[in-house]
Formats: sequence, C-alpha cells, structure tokens
Amino acid sequence: SQTIHQWPATLVQPVGSPLSLECTVEGTSNPNLYWYRQAAGRGLQLLFYSVGIGQISSEVPQNLSASRPQDRQFILSSKKLLLSDSGFYLCACHPSRANTGELFFGEGSRLTVL
Amino acid sequence: EDKVVQSPLSLVVHEGDTVTLNCSYEVTNFRSLLWYKQEKKAPTFLFMLTSSGIEKKSGRLSSILDKKELSSILNITATQTGDSAIYLCAVGTNAGGTSYGKLTFGQGTILTVHP
Repeated sequence: SQTIHQWPATLVQPVGSPLSLECTVEGTSNPNLYWYRQAAGRGLQLLFYSVGIGQISSEVPQNLSASRPQDRQFILSSKKLLLSDSGFYLCACHPSRANTGELFFGEGSRLTVL
Repeated sequence: EDKVVQSPLSLVVHEGDTVTLNCSYEVTNFRSLLWYKQEKKAPTFLFMLTSSGIEKKSGRLSSILDKKELSSILNITATQTGDSAIYLCAVGTNAGGTSYGKLTFGQGTILTVHP
C-alpha cells in the first residue's frame, strides 16, 4: 500500500518569505497527486492536482504554485508568503490503477505566516 | 459550483450516546460520497458510497446514501472518547479520468465525546 511523506511538519515563516513544502509517495507508481489546504480545522480546499510529471492543474487562483519534477514527488511553493497562506496543507494520492475515489493523505504541514 | 454542506458543525456528547452526522450535496455528475475521520493530522478513510439505500457498516459506524435527497448520514452508536475527531464528508464527480481524488469537501463536523 502507498505511504505519503510530507515535510516539514511545522513551519513558521515571515510575510514575504518563500515557501517550499514537499511530498513524496511510496508504494505506487504514476499516481494522481493533490494539494489540499485546511483552514482552522475545517473542510479541505483543493489547491492543485497532477496526473503526471510536469502536469499541474490549479483549482483556485492564489499566491501558491505547484510542481511535479518526478513521478512520486509533488512540491508546493510560494515566492512571497501572505498572512492568508497560513493553514494546514495536506498532500494526497490516488493510485492510478484504482477504480475508487478513495484518497490517501499525508500527515500534513502546518504553516504559520507571521 | 459543486457544494457539500455538513451539519451540525460541532457536537458534544457523552460516552454511550448515539450520534448522527449529516451531509448534503449539490454537484454536477455525482459519482461517489466519502466519509473521512480526522483526529490530528491525516484524514483516514471510513466509507465510500455510490448506491442509494445500501448501508455500509464498520463496527459501531454506519453510513447510507440517499441520492433522491442528495444526502448521506453517518451514524456512530455507543460513542467512545476515541471517536472524538473531525468527520469530513466529500463528494467525487464524473469529470473525466482525472477526476478521481478531486473531491469536494464539506466543512466538517467536530465531534467531542466526554467520558
């Protein structure tokens, strides 16, 4: 079964600083990968998804970007953080051969922008 | 725009109580409804429902989908303190092969079970 690693687990950054959150997946190949953000312990908002290397789709306009340099690596970035970027970021994976909608989540990265 | 609404937003009960969590949706091309439990970090999968009226059960938890009413309920019987968590409802749609995993989530229900 797949395992999703995210780091860092916790991050405190000043406004205007850059950001890089990394997600790697083990146990599956060619997965669909997703970045979700959760604000204040509530529902999850889809930010980006990727169906393959170099293929990124953005769901909402924002200050963030995503990249997929390798099959099982997904990176969330920002050049200049805003206060509103604070939140809990979850990387998720859907195995490409699965015919169900079940998502598997990483442990998350908690970002505080001061 | 696809929309998923959960109620109540929060719930406080005592051990042994039975709770019912609600999820309603308005989406285009419904495919599935999923329930997740989130205790601290990663949400963990509970159920996926695709057919109306068929109950899914796992121990003290059960869930059913009503496609006519565009809703689902999650029941937890004989609650325990370990059931305290955020319960998330999500809906998947048929938007092409890439849609798997592109779930629309509700706001979540925060369940607190006191001893």
